Amino acid sequence: DVKVTQSSRYLVKRTGEKVFLECVQDMDHENMFWYRQDPGLGLRLIYFSYDVKMKEKGDIPEGYSVSREKKERFSLILESASTNQTSMYLCASSWGQGAREQYFGPGTRLTVT
Amino acid sequence: GENVEQHPSTLSVQEGDSAVIKCTYSDSASNYFPWYKQELGKGPQLIIDIRSNVGEKKDQRIAVTLNKTAKHFSLHITETQPEDSAVYFCAASKGSARQLTFGSGTQLTVLP
Repeated sequence: DVKVTQSSRYLVKRTGEKVFLECVQDMDHENMFWYRQDPGLGLRLIYFSYDVKMKEKGDIPEGYSVSREKKERFSLILESASTNQTSMYLCASSWGQGAREQYFGPGTRLTVT
Repeated sequence: GENVEQHPSTLSVQEGDSAVIKCTYSDSASNYFPWYKQELGKGPQLIIDIRSNVGEKKDQRIAVTLNKTAKHFSLHITETQPEDSAVYFCAASKGSARQLTFGSGTQLTVLP
């Protein structure tokens, strides 16, 4: 059974803190994605990666960075968390080139106070 | 870039009735259109998808239709059941692209 896991279901951080969100997939997928989900805005792509050490900006990369040192792991980094980054963060993965089914993790609800 | 609009944002139907959710997209080069269902506390999961070489696809009680000329596609759920209650997202992509552009979501509630 395919599996995408995220390190935390809930996270509370203070403004200015550095925040790491971790995602691991066990399907040997090439592609991994980070989205944020906000009511009325759907899923917005922050960054994605199609190979180890490769990254591409999505639609809303400002304030975020990513790291992919191993194929199965994709990290989202908030260098200095701000209250407007309070959101649900979803990780996904897919295989191969081109548009294909994405498999999502359960999400991390991040609150920045 | 691609822009996907989804309507309605909320939809309530009686159990057994049909539900229709509609999406429009802006990029005429898009040719892959999936639909995802997100249940409470879970990540979205693919329920059906369609590529632009077909106009309709069915899978039991769900179907998707695509009108490339008008740049819109729709999800149809027949004989709705309480377990169909969830948030549904449409998305669009060019076939060569790995990433998807999602709509804003529809909260479907099936009333017993």
